[in-house]
Amino acid sequence: SAVISQKPSRDICQRGTSLTIQCQVDSQVTMMFWYRQQPGQSLTLIATANQGSEATYESGFVIDKFPISRPNLTFSTLTVSNMSPEDSSIYLCSVAFGQGEEKLFFGSGTQLSVL
Amino acid sequence: AQSVAQPEDQVNVAEGNPLTVKCTYSVSGNPYLFWYVQYPNRGLQFLLKYITGDNLVKGSYGFEAEFNKSQTSFHLKKPSALVSDSALYFCAVNRRRAGRRALTFGSGTRLQVQP
Repeated sequence: SAVISQKPSRDICQRGTSLTIQCQVDSQVTMMFWYRQQPGQSLTLIATANQGSEATYESGFVIDKFPISRPNLTFSTLTVSNMSPEDSSIYLCSVAFGQGEEKLFFGSGTQLSVL
Repeated sequence: AQSVAQPEDQVNVAEGNPLTVKCTYSVSGNPYLFWYVQYPNRGLQFLLKYITGDNLVKGSYGFEAEFNKSQTSFHLKKPSALVSDSALYFCAVNRRRAGRRALTFGSGTRLQVQP
């Protein structure tokens, strides 16, 4: 298993600003994932972040809007840039474990509200 | 494309009664299936998974799920519900694409257990 610390836990931001969310894992992991959970909806994968390479983004998400850093095997950041109210969501960091790296563990999430 | 359907937005059950939360999936090849639970203001927690083997899998907190290949279902069950089981439940399927491993989540089912 893994302990995943995510911060901030919540923030209220002004339109047009940017917020960087940090995710720290207590063990080394190859793959980290960033998900978004919009109000009342399911989780949507934003991107997959591997250490030492650029993040791979899902359809509908672009690097300019959601730049990701993965400087080492225990840490990653997601930045939500030039925010608008539509970006108000919970953002979740997760890592894969298990025999085939098939099981995900999640951080507690960052609840973002954009005014 | 892989997908997961949770046909019920909400399930209400009285404490002590059995509960079922439904999930059906669509995926090419053999599925890896998961259930996660989300308590208020917290990240997702892994409940159980089906990879291969026995169709009935047991997980955390007394939950179990039955894999039914012919019906492409993976319903979550518990013989006797507790008020503390009230939470948001997500079914998910693992997909592999270009070496990445990420989950596709259902829309979620809110379980409300009444005392």
